Amino acid sequence: DTGVSQNPRHKITKRGQNVTFRCDPISEHNRLYWYRQTLGQGPEFLTYFQNEAQLEKSRLLSDRFSAERPKGSFSTLEIQRTEQGDSAMYLCASSPGRGYTFGSGTRLTVV
Amino acid sequence: EDQVTQSPEALRLQEGESSSLNCSYTVSGLRGLFWYRQDPGKGPEFLFTLYSAGEEKEKERLKATLTKKESFLHITAPKPEDSATYLCAVQAFGTSGSRLTFGEGTQLTVNP
Repeated sequence: DTGVSQNPRHKITKRGQNVTFRCDPISEHNRLYWYRQTLGQGPEFLTYFQNEAQLEKSRLLSDRFSAERPKGSFSTLEIQRTEQGDSAMYLCASSPGRGYTFGSGTRLTVV
Repeated sequence: EDQVTQSPEALRLQEGESSSLNCSYTVSGLRGLFWYRQDPGKGPEFLFTLYSAGEEKEKERLKATLTKKESFLHITAPKPEDSATYLCAVQAFGTSGSRLTFGEGTQLTVNP
């Protein structure tokens, strides 16, 4: 069990560029979640996968955001045409059903 | 809509000075209440899950309790290494995928 791995740890991008983050969950966990956390706030739910199926998306997830989990293994979160308001920590978590394990997150800064 | 409110926002303690953090919640049906610890620049680290009113759990200097409306995280004789942000979250029955709703956290600083 190597935990939940997220890459990259940090990403600085110019406004308008596209970015993609990767999450590798704990291998036997069938559920995968993406959360977003801004400074001084708690994490906010973005989306949820059970195996390869994306079963729920928050209204926070605008049309510029897309997430995939091909073959039910790793997941990617893409943000198109980034805006300064997208600057945040993007957290991935996985779960076997009860209890979450979070990764260390990807810190996105949009300049 | 599920809601979680944590207080205080920030707390400064001297080493050895015990205190409590509060988490008030509103949820349609509580499936579980979670406490996490988060260090700067890192993801939340799981501490406890509580499922029903009256339940208590302990780990080293931390003890979590639960009532029908709130949870407390008691810190006994804290040490500087207990400095972190403590997050409370609820999980509701009927919530698709068991999403968590988090509070804004309490930033704890323990001075030596």
